[in-house]
Amino acid sequence: SQQGEEDPQALSIQEGENATMNCSYKTSINNLQWYRQNSGRGLVHLILIRSNEREKHSGRLRVTLDTSKKSSSLLITASRAADTASYFCATTGYNTNAGKSTFGDGTTLTVKP
Amino acid sequence: DVKVTQSSRYLVKRTGEKVFLECVQDMDHENMFWYRQDPGLGLRLIYFSYDVKMKEKGDIPEGYSVSREKKERFSLILESASTNQTSMYLCASSLRGVSGNTIYFGEGSWLTVV
Repeated sequence: SQQGEEDPQALSIQEGENATMNCSYKTSINNLQWYRQNSGRGLVHLILIRSNEREKHSGRLRVTLDTSKKSSSLLITASRAADTASYFCATTGYNTNAGKSTFGDGTTLTVKP
Repeated sequence: DVKVTQSSRYLVKRTGEKVFLECVQDMDHENMFWYRQDPGLGLRLIYFSYDVKMKEKGDIPEGYSVSREKKERFSLILESASTNQTSMYLCASSLRGVSGNTIYFGEGSWLTVV
């Protein structure tokens, strides 16, 4: 069963603008991760946030987690054309093998130069 | 750097053929996975292995089998390929444990069944 659901499905912005993507999930989680996928390629890990954390930063990425609302957001600041990709959230529950995460359907981001 | 290598990037097979998709990782990871990715359906887990010779069914195991005879290698087998198995297949690996481990993906194998 699908756990994470990204919103919006597609997002188109101009270079330099900020991009915000959201992920909602249904059951309690141990951690949530964001991945990026360039067209036709494999997924690449971006950032992990644990259930006891509320915010994490990595370069131009900012991730928030609200466990009361069962949602997370990924903010990419000062976007670049090279940020064009699909972004997926993946959730891992308790009492599961940490590798057995559930992925959402992804948000496709287009950054126009 | 961790590397997950999928042996074939593009394959075209005929309906009814037996198809092998091979995957090798070089980081001594316990976990290995096969996902299928279709437009609008996200990533769906086919099979998961947490140790040599161990496997668990994922969300869509029907029509597939797997083999893990060595820790670094995880094979996906389509016993009798069908056109509805045309898709992108992604292999991945990770360390085992509940602390939250990064999943490393291969570049994907595009399979077309005609």
